[in-house]
Amino acid sequence: NAGVTQTPKFQVLKTGQSMTLQCAQDMNHEYMSWYRQDPGMGLRLIHYSVGAGITDQGEVPNGYNVSRSTTEDFPLRLLSAAPSQTSVYFCASSYSRVRGAFFGQGTRLTVV
Amino acid sequence: AQTVTQSQPEMSVQEAETVTLSCTYDTSESDYYLFWYKQPPSRQMILVIRQEAYKQQNATENRFSVNFQKAAKSFSLKISDSQLGDAAMYFCAYRSGKTSGSRLTFGEGTQLTVNP
Repeated sequence: NAGVTQTPKFQVLKTGQSMTLQCAQDMNHEYMSWYRQDPGMGLRLIHYSVGAGITDQGEVPNGYNVSRSTTEDFPLRLLSAAPSQTSVYFCASSYSRVRGAFFGQGTRLTVV
Repeated sequence: AQTVTQSQPEMSVQEAETVTLSCTYDTSESDYYLFWYKQPPSRQMILVIRQEAYKQQNATENRFSVNFQKAAKSFSLKISDSQLGDAAMYFCAYRSGKTSGSRLTFGEGTQLTVNP
């Protein structure tokens, strides 16, 4: 069972570059989310989706875009990378509020 | 907006001993869910235990149990018979029962060290 798959696992970007973090789940979950993890701050919600074609902003959405064209995929786009976006990024999916969320392995992004 | 606070950045425990990690939260809602996640050095986020706010009984999963005090808005995690593999960062998380989606609000995390 693949669960939630994130690619790449590591990435170094130059300031101003753009890139897309990929996230795919094979559990037919409706709900998907992107979080960033910074030291001493826990995980903070960037964007989330409640189904294909429906997305909304989380706590820290600036500088990021998302789309949800299929149930399986939920890519996160960095439009113009900044050093402040250096972080570990997690994609998560769930089908129920009760069950919590399943997380991908994370992407460590460094912007220089 | 809901907030989750973990006031212990670091904790340590001797192998086979018991340790309790603290978590408090702030919410005006009555319907919500609480979770503890474990993050070992591999970075993977692993769900340890969950608690529904409407349930008075504290959740238990093998060596892991919670002390859920709804009135005090406290949700502590007790790890019994600690093992070396329990060493990890632990996050407390809140999820509203009203809002849709998989939005979790996390605390800052507690780094647990297990000493042999």
